[in-house]
Amino acid sequence: EPEVTQTPSHQVTQMGQEVILRCVPISNHLYFYWYRQILGQKVEFLVSFYNNEISEKSEIFDDQFSVERPDGSNFTLKIRSTKLEDSAMYFCASRTAPGENTGELFFGEGSRLTVL
Amino acid sequence: RKEVEQDPGPFNVPEGATVAFNCTYSNSASQSFFWYRQDCRKEPKLLMSVYSSGNEDGRFTAQLNRASQYISLLIRDSKLSDSATYLCVVKEDASKIIFGSGTRLSIRP
Repeated sequence: EPEVTQTPSHQVTQMGQEVILRCVPISNHLYFYWYRQILGQKVEFLVSFYNNEISEKSEIFDDQFSVERPDGSNFTLKIRSTKLEDSAMYFCASRTAPGENTGELFFGEGSRLTVL
Repeated sequence: RKEVEQDPGPFNVPEGATVAFNCTYSNSASQSFFWYRQDCRKEPKLLMSVYSSGNEDGRFTAQLNRASQYISLLIRDSKLSDSATYLCVVKEDASKIIFGSGTRLSIRP
């Protein structure tokens, strides 16, 4: 069964360092998302990506964050200068185009980021 | 007002009980609705979509009331394996799919 894969599963970094989280969405999917979940809290929408550009982003997704799809398969989330409050589980998700299904999101297993 | 609001629980019920979760959403133009399940420290997984006419999948029944902007999930004959956090999810448009804070369910033997 196709799946979304994320790397690394866990990253520990020092405050102020840059972090890149990687995702390989399901191959025929067209919409890509990043969500984050701080421990014990809700799953928060960060950004959606379609047709090689950001289609929507939340207030959380400030200038410290960026996304790109450099090679047609990987979908990356970069945090330029990490803060303590960026510590969270980051989930990548993908889905097919509208009209082809109900809009089910398929999630990766997540990348846990710990900022010290 | 929160975009998607759920009772956080926790709900602690005995095996075999029936339990109901509710959810309200703020954007009346929202397109699609779902219930996801999240086990501890795992990724969310789709439990079922929610249709206007209501829909059932085994022991699970979902209802949608667009006029009231209200979604529900009913679990009958609950099993120990139903213990999880249940997430109400709303697709506002093609780009934005947002999650409620989740309702924790714990089934006791």
